[in-house]
Amino acid sequence: RKEVEQDPGPFNVPEGATVAFNCTYSNSASQSFFWYRQDCRKEPKLLMSVYSSGNEDGRFTAQLNRASQYISLLIRDSKLSDSATYLCVVTLSAKIIFGSGTRLSIRP
Amino acid sequence: DVKVTQSSRYLVKRTGEKVFLECVQDMDHENMFWYRQDPGLGLRLIYFSYDVKMKEKGDIPEGYSVSREKKERFSLILESASTNQTSMYLCASTLGDTGRAQYFGPGTRLLVL
Repeated sequence: RKEVEQDPGPFNVPEGATVAFNCTYSNSASQSFFWYRQDCRKEPKLLMSVYSSGNEDGRFTAQLNRASQYISLLIRDSKLSDSATYLCVVTLSAKIIFGSGTRLSIRP
Repeated sequence: DVKVTQSSRYLVKRTGEKVFLECVQDMDHENMFWYRQDPGLGLRLIYFSYDVKMKEKGDIPEGYSVSREKKERFSLILESASTNQTSMYLCASTLGDTGRAQYFGPGTRLLVL
């Protein structure tokens, strides 16, 4: 089993829709969690950290479920510019583990 | 704003050549990382460094070495480039403990012929 797993997608949704995807992690001792966004042929960029109580940044909401060992990302009112690959990242002691990413495509 | 720069955006080299990829960060970060990213395989850690002159192997160190002589600079070296090292190479840095977010450079697309 992979340490961090994501549905590769692609998720193809219309503009304005709400879309959510999850990322599961295998080690219950995992400590920190992040969502990154990566545009085609560009570097990953931090989208948001994920806190235990859940957190929101504009149209984006991230949640952590330690009991079931997953994090989620919800995007409301999706825009064309949200089309990208979303990577989840989990840290465990000195180790930083990246998921393979979920591809999101927003259509007009 | 954290800035991480990489010496080249695109590089074409021949099999057997020695290749240097340089990464510089301007935010006094202790930790620096080199990854490669390939379609379907995601980001894979090659080497990382927690301090000057310190290095640790990542998941795929074979065929690579690194150098960190100054805090702001972390170099990746391909001693004898091979075609299977054609990839996108990404450098990242982070402050303090690894519970903090990483900041990436723009990447170097290396083609080995």
